[in-house]
Amino acid sequence: GNSVTQMEGPVTLSEEAFLTINCTYTATGYPSLFWYVQYPGEGLQLLLKATKADDKGSNKGFEATYRKETTSFHLEKGSVQVSDSAVYFCALKNQGGSEKLVFGKGTKLTVNP
Amino acid sequence: SAVISQKPSRDICQRGTSLTIQCQVDSQVTMMFWYRQQPGQSLTLIATANQGSEATYESGFVIDKFPISRPNLTFSTLTVSNMSPEDSSIYLCSVGAGGQPQHFGDGTRLSIL
Repeated sequence: GNSVTQMEGPVTLSEEAFLTINCTYTATGYPSLFWYVQYPGEGLQLLLKATKADDKGSNKGFEATYRKETTSFHLEKGSVQVSDSAVYFCALKNQGGSEKLVFGKGTKLTVNP
Repeated sequence: SAVISQKPSRDICQRGTSLTIQCQVDSQVTMMFWYRQQPGQSLTLIATANQGSEATYESGFVIDKFPISRPNLTFSTLTVSNMSPEDSSIYLCSVGAGGQPQHFGDGTRLSIL
C-alpha cells in the first residue's frame, strides 16, 4: 500500500539556518506529492505540491523536488525564521484514483531567535 | 482556494455523550473528507463524504461510531458518538477533487473527560 516516511523530529534550529526535512514514499503508479504545514493551534495549510517527476514545488522560500528515482520529496529552506516554527507533514495522493491523502507522521520544527 | 469553516473550534465533553461537528464551505464541492489527528500524531482519514450518497469509511472506522451527513454541496457534519477518552483528538474536514490539492479547515479540538 501507499506510505510516507518522514524524518523523526523534533528539529530545533537557530534563525537563518538551513532546513532539510526528509520525506520518502512508497506508492503504486505516479502519485502527487504535497507538503502541508500546521502552525500551533491551527489546521493544515498547503505549503507546496508537485505532480510529476522532476517538478519543483516552491512557496514562502520553501522548496521540494519530486525525485522519482529516489522516491523522495525533501523539504528545504535556505534561511528559516522564527515564524516557520510549526509541524510539517509530507503527503501523497495517487493520481486518477482515490482522492485519499496519505500523510507522514509529521516533523515538528522549532526555530529559535 | 475554498474557505472552510468548522464548528465548534473546540469542546470538552463527558464520556458517553455525542458531539456533532459542522463543516461549511464557501463554494460547492463534490468531495469532502473527515480526518482524525490524535495527540502528537499524523492525520488519519475517517471517511469520504459525497453529496447524495453514503459516506465511504476507511478501515477501522464505522458508521455507528462516526455517522456523517452530506445534505448539500457546501455542508457536512461528523458526529462522534458515545465518546470515550480515546476519542480525544483534533477532527478536521477537508475538500478537494479533480486532482486539486485538499484544503483543510482549522479543526475541532475535542477533549473527553
